[in-house]
Amino acid sequence: EAGVTQSPTHLIKPRGQQATLRCSPISGHTSVYWYQQALGLGLQFLLWYDEGEERNRGNFPPRFSGRQFPNYSSELNVNALELEDSALYLCASSSPGQVYEQYFGPGTRLTVT
Amino acid sequence: AQSVTQLGSHVSVSEGALVLLRCNYSSSVPPYLFWYVQYPNQGLQLLLKYTTGATLVKGINGFEAEFKKSETSFHLTKPSAHMSDAAEYFCAVSSYYNQGGKLIFGQGTELSVKP
Repeated sequence: EAGVTQSPTHLIKPRGQQATLRCSPISGHTSVYWYQQALGLGLQFLLWYDEGEERNRGNFPPRFSGRQFPNYSSELNVNALELEDSALYLCASSSPGQVYEQYFGPGTRLTVT
Repeated sequence: AQSVTQLGSHVSVSEGALVLLRCNYSSSVPPYLFWYVQYPNQGLQLLLKYTTGATLVKGINGFEAEFKKSETSFHLTKPSAHMSDAAEYFCAVSSYYNQGGKLIFGQGTELSVKP
């Protein structure tokens, strides 16, 4: 069974531009979660999508947004990039009714220059 | 509300020695507890989990953890460390209801294994 996949592996963007990160969940999983892992800040919850709807978001500004597609894949958009957005962005998924048990992808390393 | 505290940001052991990584949690509802491992430049891999039932849980790569409600702890152990165990380890807490959808993570413990 394929795990959670994320693309691209690395992304380098200049400050002020937009970044788009993509995630495909494990087959059969309907929820997708996004976390940011920035140096020295640990793992911070960003967003939760379930059945195409945003269910919850963490303490991040509105320039962090995303969506979930009918096939349950998801994308995370970061607008007006700032240097402090440089981080590893991790996507996770869970099966219906098991929000507590999340499986993570390999992450996308975003570097803002 | 839920929180996790991992005692020790860095732990160093010799190859073949016991590994003990400490995790204490706070939760107002019955907790579900997890240990994840992260190798350099990779994502998180689920090592083991406690939801209900047996309080001693076994995971992959020879790791195990024991849920102790009276001590609000979920420490991770391995009898004999291997060089390949060098990584960062994260303890996380959730609950069955988890209406917010997020796992609450500790700050992580970096494990070094000396030959």
